[in-house]
Amino acid sequence: SAVISQKPSRDICQRGTSLTIQCQVDSQVTMMFWYRQQPGQSLTLIATANQGSEATYESGFVIDKFPISRPNLTFSTLTVSNMSPEDSSIYLCSVGSVHNEQFFGPGTRLTVL
Amino acid sequence: KQEVTQIPAALSVPEGENLVLNCSFTDSAIYNLQWFRQDPGKGLTSLLLIQSSQREQTSGRLNASLDKSSGRSTLYIAASQPGDSATYLCAVKETSGSRLTFGEGTQLTVNP
Repeated sequence: SAVISQKPSRDICQRGTSLTIQCQVDSQVTMMFWYRQQPGQSLTLIATANQGSEATYESGFVIDKFPISRPNLTFSTLTVSNMSPEDSSIYLCSVGSVHNEQFFGPGTRLTVL
Repeated sequence: KQEVTQIPAALSVPEGENLVLNCSFTDSAIYNLQWFRQDPGKGLTSLLLIQSSQREQTSGRLNASLDKSSGRSTLYIAASQPGDSATYLCAVKETSGSRLTFGEGTQLTVNP
């Protein structure tokens, strides 16, 4: 199984600011996934990040709002830009194993005031 | 478009009871199905992974079954304990390496 860490674990931010979330994996992976979990809801995929190429965004999510970096095979960042209270969520990064088992980081709990 | 449904949304049981959580999906052409546990405000812990060619998987007191043709999976928890209290999520993957589609989860409370 993959060991995934995320920073920060939680943050409280002001409206209009941006927050960058880091995801570190203990092994090299081709694809990293970023999910959002709004309060009381299930997980929704934001984008898939491949090393060396542009991230692929799901319907309803755009690069200007959620820019993603993937500088190497063990690390990725997700930025939540120009935040509003509607962005208050848990943000999780995820990777798959060679057996297609999915593993998740501990999440970043974001509150926007 | 794949849709995943979990029933019940919430369940409260006394300690020691055996219980079943249900998951259904609309498109039976899945690659695998995975059950997760989520504690409040935390990330997801993988419990069981069932490949499309498998019928069930077991881990300790947990047993998950898969009936791909009917679009259903169940998670059986034997001899439930207060520490089992959490939200249980099922998710399906449609192709190798693709994203997961999640259900809304079942919030389980096991009372001592």
